[in-house]
Amino acid sequence: DAGVIQSPRHEVTEMGQEVTLRCKPISGHDYLFWYRQTMMRGLELLIYFNNNVPIDDSGMPEDRFSAKMPNASFSTLKIQPSEPRDSAVYFCASRLGQVQETQYFGPGTRLLVL
Amino acid sequence: GQQLNQSPQSMFIQEGEDVSMNCTSSSIFNTWLWYKQDPGEGPVLLIALYKAGELTSNGRLTAQFGITRKDSFLNISASIPSDVGIYFCAGQLWRDDKIIFGKGTRLHILP
Repeated sequence: DAGVIQSPRHEVTEMGQEVTLRCKPISGHDYLFWYRQTMMRGLELLIYFNNNVPIDDSGMPEDRFSAKMPNASFSTLKIQPSEPRDSAVYFCASRLGQVQETQYFGPGTRLLVL
Repeated sequence: GQQLNQSPQSMFIQEGEDVSMNCTSSSIFNTWLWYKQDPGEGPVLLIALYKAGELTSNGRLTAQFGITRKDSFLNISASIPSDVGIYFCAGQLWRDDKIIFGKGTRLHILP
């Protein structure tokens, strides 16, 4: 299996632009998580899906952030408009059921907003 | 929200030394997990703990699930250069899908 795939790996954009991060979970996994990592706040859970349905989006910082999962093999995290404080590494992770040992992280997208 | 207090924040040790780090919370956790993150990569699971008092080893790594269910520690014996990275504790509350991460312990190894 190729593992969790994220794209792009790096993104540099200007303040005010729209940013879309993409994730392909491991085939057969029914949970998908989006995390943000910064030095100050560590690894924060933004939102997670179960069977393509958003379950908890309480970690989404504000309305500028949105996430979708149109099917079992694809999810997006969109920031519009982007701001410099959104600069961080964004990770996607997927998991099979409640088995924590099956939660795998993608390599992350490093976002820099100028 | 729920928080995990992980300490120390960073460690500088000599190669060959043993390492100990821990994680505490005011909440009772159902599961404790320890992850390692290498530079430029996502976290990778090292050890999962499911029972209070459980002591589990994975090579040179040993982790324990505290009796009170509110803490856990990770020990690394005889450190080697490839142990460098960030170590995260994580916990899952009873009947909660998600896991909560500590802020990590950054391990540096001096030659």
